[in-house]
Amino acid sequence: RKEVEQDPGPFNVPEGATVAFNCTYSNSASQSFFWYRQDCRKEPKLLMSVYSSGNEDGRFTAQLNRASQYISLLIRDSKLSDSATYLCVVKVGTDKIIFGKGTRLHILP
Amino acid sequence: GAGVSQTPSNKVTEKGKYVELRCDPISGHTALYWYRQSLGQGPEFLIYFQGTGAADDSGLPNDRFFAVRPEGSVSTLKIQRTERGDSAVYLCASSYRDTQYFGPGTRLTVL
Repeated sequence: RKEVEQDPGPFNVPEGATVAFNCTYSNSASQSFFWYRQDCRKEPKLLMSVYSSGNEDGRFTAQLNRASQYISLLIRDSKLSDSATYLCVVKVGTDKIIFGKGTRLHILP
Repeated sequence: GAGVSQTPSNKVTEKGKYVELRCDPISGHTALYWYRQSLGQGPEFLIYFQGTGAADDSGLPNDRFFAVRPEGSVSTLKIQRTERGDSAVYLCASSYRDTQYFGPGTRLTVL
């Protein structure tokens, strides 16, 4: 089983819709969780950290389910500019960082 | 301030040649990571430095790959006897409080 798994997509979603992706991780010792965004031919950039209590940043909501070992990202009122690849990232131990393969999102006008 | 910089931005080489890829992290960031990203894949961890020492090099694919960070700042990823399968974007990131700040990457093409 891969350490971090994501549905690669693509998710083709009309503008204004709500979209959600999940990510599962295999190492129960994982300590920190993040979502990164990567635009085509650009470097990844931090979108948000994921806390046990869940967290929200504008139209974006991230949740963590430790019992089932998954994290989720919800995007409300999607914009054309949300089109990107969303990378699930897990930190194991003090410093080992593992990226998922990413989920591609296309927002359709 | 300046972000993470990587040079060269593109490198084309022939199979069997030696290449060096450079990363200049954000000043003051003690943690530095190297990743390799192929088309359609997420970044694959290669090696992580804390200061001058390699804290985890478990991601280096084989002994043709080596990385150094002699003064705890700039790092160089070295690839010997390059193979076509080494073609990828090599990303460097420095880290502060769990956030990774990536450079623009070096696109390596081995012909």
